[in-house]
Amino acid sequence: AAGVIQSPRHLIKEKRETATLKCYPIPRHDTVYWYQQGPGQDPQFLISFYEKMQSDKGSIPDRFSAQQFSDYHSELNMSSLELGDSALYFCASSPWTEQETQYFGPGTRLLVL
Amino acid sequence: AQSVTQLDSQVPVFEEAPVELRCNYSSSVSVYLFWYVQYPNQGLQLLLKYLSGSTLVKGINGFEAEFNKSQTSFHLRKPSVHISDTAEYFCAVRLMDSSYKMIFGSGTRLLVRP
Repeated sequence: AAGVIQSPRHLIKEKRETATLKCYPIPRHDTVYWYQQGPGQDPQFLISFYEKMQSDKGSIPDRFSAQQFSDYHSELNMSSLELGDSALYFCASSPWTEQETQYFGPGTRLLVL
Repeated sequence: AQSVTQLDSQVPVFEEAPVELRCNYSSSVSVYLFWYVQYPNQGLQLLLKYLSGSTLVKGINGFEAEFNKSQTSFHLRKPSVHISDTAEYFCAVRLMDSSYKMIFGSGTRLLVRP
């Protein structure tokens, strides 16, 4: 079965640089979620989109922005990167008929040097 | 505020022994309950979920969990573990309101020894 696709899988950036993470949800899933998992920590909700509109917002820094496109893929844009942004970034998706369940992608590991 | 507590940060167990990973939650509204497993350097895989109905739910890889509303618990169990079950296990809740976010516990590392 098709799963959530995230790219890139690994990313190395310098401080103050920008990064763009991409998420391709499972086909026919219209809701996308972004989570940040720091080293040894549990995933923390950042933001979500339903039908291309922001549906909920968590602990996302102002330096980050995200959007969902007409094909339902989503991008997380991160600017002025800080060392503390080094983490595993997960994207998850769910269909309207199963909104309560989130299916996670493999994550993008971001390392800020 | 809602929260999920996994009291055990690490659970060592011998192969073929039974295991229980504990999860308690706190919420002012009704919740959906989930267990996810994370293998080293991999993403989160859904093990099982409780939405409604029977309080005993069965998931993949022989795991099961029981929802106890009075104790606000959702403990994960497996009667006989394998080396391959070594992983990080996260309990999570999603509120039955307009919120979209999943709230995770801090995780329990299951370490299966031969």
